[in-house]
Amino acid sequence: NAGVTQTPKFQVLKTGQSMTLQCAQDMNHEYMSWYRQDPGMGLRLIHYSVGAGITDQGEVPNGYNVSRSTTEDFPLRLLSAAPSQTSVYFCASSPLPGTGPKEQFFGPGTRLTVL
Amino acid sequence: SQQGEEDPQALSIQEGENATMNCSYKTSINNLQWYRQNSGRGLVHLILIRSNEREKHSGRLRVTLDTSKKSSSLLITASRAADTASYFCATDDSPTDKLIFGTGTRLQVFP
Repeated sequence: NAGVTQTPKFQVLKTGQSMTLQCAQDMNHEYMSWYRQDPGMGLRLIHYSVGAGITDQGEVPNGYNVSRSTTEDFPLRLLSAAPSQTSVYFCASSPLPGTGPKEQFFGPGTRLTVL
Repeated sequence: SQQGEEDPQALSIQEGENATMNCSYKTSINNLQWYRQNSGRGLVHLILIRSNEREKHSGRLRVTLDTSKKSSSLLITASRAADTASYFCATDDSPTDKLIFGTGTRLQVFP
């Protein structure tokens, strides 16, 4: 199993550009999520999904869109990139929580710089 | 706002010493998890403790949970240089299933 994969590893954008960060998992996990990590801020939840066709907002959803058309894929779209979106983005997945989320498996991250 | 906050923000110790990190959270939880992040890498799950548990062990790791104080601690015994990493606690945002991370503790273990 490849686990959770993310592409690209690095990306530089200009302000106003749009792009999609890809995330895929091959563990048949229903729960997937996107976090951003900024220095001194820990990880902040952007969006999450509990299954195909179901998404919801996290702590910092503004400026980002997600969709979940399949169990395996959970792309994150930046609609119009801003310098404030410069960050490291992590995708994670886990089995569907019963009484609370279970162990999350993280991808290696995408380092995004917006100029 | 973030659910969990770790204390201290940074910790430096010598190999062989014990390292203790604390996590405080704000609302009721179903479980609490601890993760490790090596520099430049994704997070790796260490241990999960349920709200009805008070203590859990895994190898050199010992986690305690005090739901009355809304706090947890992670103890790493006999630390090694390879334990150098950032450590995060994470709690589920009951009644939703969101997992919310704290700000982390940066641990440096000197050989």
